[in-house]
Amino acid sequence: GEDVEQSLFLSVREGDSSVINCTYTDSSSTYLYWYKQEPGAGLQLLTYIFSNMDMKQDQRLTVLLNKKDKHLSLRIADTQTGDSAIYFCAETLTTDSWGKFQFGAGTQVVVTP
Amino acid sequence: NAGVTQTPKFRVLKTGQSMTLLCAQDMNHEYMYWYRQDPGMGLRLIHYSVGEGTTAKGEVPDGYNVSRLKKQNFLLGLESAAPSQTSVYFCASSLDRASQPQHFGDGTRLSIL
Repeated sequence: GEDVEQSLFLSVREGDSSVINCTYTDSSSTYLYWYKQEPGAGLQLLTYIFSNMDMKQDQRLTVLLNKKDKHLSLRIADTQTGDSAIYFCAETLTTDSWGKFQFGAGTQVVVTP
Repeated sequence: NAGVTQTPKFRVLKTGQSMTLLCAQDMNHEYMYWYRQDPGMGLRLIHYSVGEGTTAKGEVPDGYNVSRLKKQNFLLGLESAAPSQTSVYFCASSLDRASQPQHFGDGTRLSIL
């Protein structure tokens, strides 16, 4: 099957780094995405990485891709209370001609003072 | 910039009633999607459209119908609402392929009693 798996919950102290992990199944995925969902809101695109890259950095966010293990991670440096949200990992499936998105179930990140 | 706008934001229905959820995007995107979000299950694709006048089934299409008469609008209909359709519904759009970043609306919270 085509599953994207994430841990369901992460608690982190303000100022520490957060690392959210994701595993995916389609080795032919072209893009892998991270979305953020705040309470009562839709999904906001945070960042994405192309499959021929190993790492991408964007301000406090660092994405690491391990294609061999089909493992994707999102590191948030200096985590703030505003980072409390649900984070979704998604892969694009290139087996379909139109490139379907497959989302994980989301990781609830709670930032404590 | 409006982006993706969903109406209504909240609705309560009785079992057996019908209703239509409206999604509008102003980004001239070709692709549009309807998802439902349930606790612990991430997002599941209901129906999608690859252009004006086209629709296709996603993972969980039963009990729903869609129409894309205009490029900017994608309507989701519930013919005879059931309690199992209580969920948060998200509309999204992408430029020209599902592998492109998807932009989400803020969701419609629907309760079926």
